[in-house]
Amino acid sequence: KNQVEQSPQSLIILEGKNCTLQCNYTVSPFSNLRWYKQDTGRGPVSLTIMTFSENTKSNGRYTATLDADTKQSSLHITASQLSDSASYICVVSGTGTYKYIFGTGTRLKVLA
Amino acid sequence: DADVTQTPRNRITKTGKRIMLECSQTKGHDRMYWYRQDPGLGLRLIYYSFDVKDINKGEISDGYSVSRQAQAKFSLSLESAIPNQTALYFCAASGGRYNEQFFGPGTRLTVL
Repeated sequence: KNQVEQSPQSLIILEGKNCTLQCNYTVSPFSNLRWYKQDTGRGPVSLTIMTFSENTKSNGRYTATLDADTKQSSLHITASQLSDSASYICVVSGTGTYKYIFGTGTRLKVLA
Repeated sequence: DADVTQTPRNRITKTGKRIMLECSQTKGHDRMYWYRQDPGLGLRLIYYSFDVKDINKGEISDGYSVSRQAQAKFSLSLESAIPNQTALYFCAASGGRYNEQFFGPGTRLTVL
């Protein structure tokens, strides 16, 4: 069964600190992996998209990594800001399919 | 202006009522989707459409119907709302090189 699992479920950090969110998946054959940021009550917004051949991709203070062999991805947030408080969702899609498999997300709270 | 818009943003209705949620997009993408989000669960696909004449059921289509009125418009109907359809509903449009999904702001639906 195609699944996407994220950890931790929730995380609290102090402003200015770094953090890393994890995503493990079993989707096969793999096409691409996306990280989304979802503010409370808003729609998800794309942060990064990575294909099979990409190991890392950055978007400002967000850096995503992908290990297609172990089927793991991480999202690293550097120098966190209060505005980073949100849910971060990992989404994986398979080759030749319309389907996007969504993780349940990691809820991040950044405290002043 | 937002690329994907949804109306209404919030709706409270009673069991047995018919309700329609509307979605419009200005991205010019052919593919559109309806998802629901419940606490602790990933987004789940209700229906998707690859063009005006192509509509398909997702993983949780029972109790829902859709209409693709035009490339830019995709509406979701609950023929007879029930309380377990209380959720946050998202519309998305996708296209481009990675078939990236762009989400609307969501509709919070409460069925009493």
